[in-house]
Order: sequence, then structure tokens, then C-alpha cells
Amino acid sequence: NAGVTQTPKFRILKIGQSMTLQCTQDMNHNYMYWYRQDPGMGLKLIYYSVGAGITDKGEVPNGYNVSRSTTEDFPLRLELAAPSQTSVYFCASSSGTPGANVLTFGAGSRLTVL
Amino acid sequence: GESVGLHLPTLSVQEGDNSIINCAYSNSASDYFIWYKQESGKGPQFIIDIRSNMDKRQGQRVTVLLNKTVKHLSLQIAATQPGDSAVYFCAENSGGSNYKLTFGKGTLLTVNP
Repeated sequence: NAGVTQTPKFRILKIGQSMTLQCTQDMNHNYMYWYRQDPGMGLKLIYYSVGAGITDKGEVPNGYNVSRSTTEDFPLRLELAAPSQTSVYFCASSSGTPGANVLTFGAGSRLTVL
Repeated sequence: GESVGLHLPTLSVQEGDNSIINCAYSNSASDYFIWYKQESGKGPQFIIDIRSNMDKRQGQRVTVLLNKTVKHLSLQIAATQPGDSAVYFCAENSGGSNYKLTFGKGTLLTVNP
């Protein structure tokens, strides 16, 4: 099992450009998440999905979009990149088991917007 | 207001000592808690979890204590090793949902050989 795989690992964008961070998991998890982590800070939830075709906003959704067309994939789209979106992005997945909902994280995607 | 820059709480210990990392959680309705370890340049990794109907849970070299009265969680690492150097996060199920985790800011643990 590869677990949660994110691509790319690093990316530099110019202000106003758009891009998609890819995330795929092979654990057949229904739940998937996107978090961002700023330097010296914890993780903030951007968007999450409880199953294919269902997505919902987290704490910091502005400037991002997601889709969940399959169980395996949960891409994160930045439409108009801004310097405030410079961060490390983590995708995660979980089974959603009540009282045991452990999230498995990918290795992260470091994005810099200049 | 929110802090900017690197304001992680830090803990520095000698190799072989025991470490205690503390976390205050925010939501009295939270019923599930997880500790994660994050090494430099990597994603968070699961260490141990605890449900709110317990006050202690032990793993291999790690123990989590939960005090619901004061909304406090701690992670104890026995015989700390250099490989334990990392940032440690506590996370809680909050907001009444079963599947969303809210993360604390983290504590940087440095183990000196």
C-alpha cells in the first residue's frame, strides 16, 4: 500500500496563476481532507469530503476549490494564486470509524507564490 | 490576536530521559483525541489515540493522559531517543462531527545526545 500520495512535492507559482495539487489514496477510505500548515503553526482544515461526490468547507476554504469524483482522488485547486497561499499542503484520508478516526497523511506539497 | 512567526513551544531533553508534552484542548464536547509526530519535511504520523471515556492509554514507550475536567492532554515518552526529535501535535474531534480533527499548534521536542 502506498497510502496517501501527493504531487507535486514542490511548486513555485506567480501571483494570479492557477494550479492543482493532486492527492490519491489506495486504502479505500471514504473520508479525505486538505490541510495547510504555515511555518510554526498547526494544521488548518481547508476542505474535506465524506465520500465521492460530497465536499464541504473547513476553516480556511477561501481561494481554493476541490472535487471528489472518485473514492481515491481528492484534488485541490488554486484558481488565482496569492502570496498568502504560500504554505505546505497536506492531504489526508481516514475510514471515518466512530471513536477511531485516525487520519493518514501524505508527505506534503510545498507551495510558494511569488 | 494570532501570533506570527515561529512561536512553537519547545522542550529540550537529554537522551534517555522521560519527556512530557502537554496540550490544552478547546472543546468540552470533543470525544476523541490523537497525538501525531511530525519530523522535518514529512507529514504527521499517528502515535497514539484516546477516547474520552478513558483517562490513560499506553503504547510502546508512549502514554497519553486525558484530564477532561481541565481539558488537558499529555503525551509521555519514556527513555527519549534522538529519533524522537520532532514536532508533536495533539488533535481533537470537535464541532460535533466525528470525522474532522482540530490540531493544536504543536510542541518542538529536541533530544540531546
